[in-house]
Amino acid sequence: EAQVTQNPRYLITVTGKKLTVTCSQNMNHEYMSWYRQDPGLGLRQIYYSMNVEVTDKGDVPEGYKVSRKEKRNFPLILESPSPNQTSLYFCASSPNGFQSGQNQPQHFGDGTRLSIL
Amino acid sequence: AQSVTQLDSQVPVFEEAPVELRCNYSSSVSVYLFWYVQYPNQGLQLLLKYLSGSTLVKGINGFEAEFNKSQTSFHLRKPSVHISDTAEYFCAVSDNYGQNFVFGPGTRLSVLP
Repeated sequence: EAQVTQNPRYLITVTGKKLTVTCSQNMNHEYMSWYRQDPGLGLRQIYYSMNVEVTDKGDVPEGYKVSRKEKRNFPLILESPSPNQTSLYFCASSPNGFQSGQNQPQHFGDGTRLSIL
Repeated sequence: AQSVTQLDSQVPVFEEAPVELRCNYSSSVSVYLFWYVQYPNQGLQLLLKYLSGSTLVKGINGFEAEFNKSQTSFHLRKPSVHISDTAEYFCAVSDNYGQNFVFGPGTRLSVLP
């Protein structure tokens, strides 16, 4: 079954304690991205990756890091989490670019709810 | 830079009534437009997309949307809603390289019996 898997689904932690949210897709997609969802703001893109070893900042990258060492994995790292990073996070993947004719949309994971105390 | 506006944060409607959820966008380049639905405690599912061609796009679950370039709009419509359509709906725009996706703030559709 084609899917995007995020772990953990829920996490409560304290300020300053480094954490990683993993994201894995089994569809051989080049493009992967991370979003945070906050009430009234919709989804805002944190980082995206067009392919292995290629990452770019989205609209709200401050306080986050990502890496793309393998095609299937795109972890989101919070080196020193703060309460304003309490949010619902989504990972997504899709084939790369519409120019190639691959007009498929992004596939989303089920989300990770982070609470930073 | 692109942006998306969804003017209605909440839309209550009775079952079997028609509904329109509004979406307006701004962009300096050609764009692709999407509508996603989010059911409680789930990720986003694509309802429909406009990439090129016919401006009237039909999607899943009986939804359709019309791309209006002059009004920079991409409103979502359904002629008769069901209780199961209760969810949050997001309009999104991406540039024509499929890179930066920008989502609107969402519209919560509540279908009442």
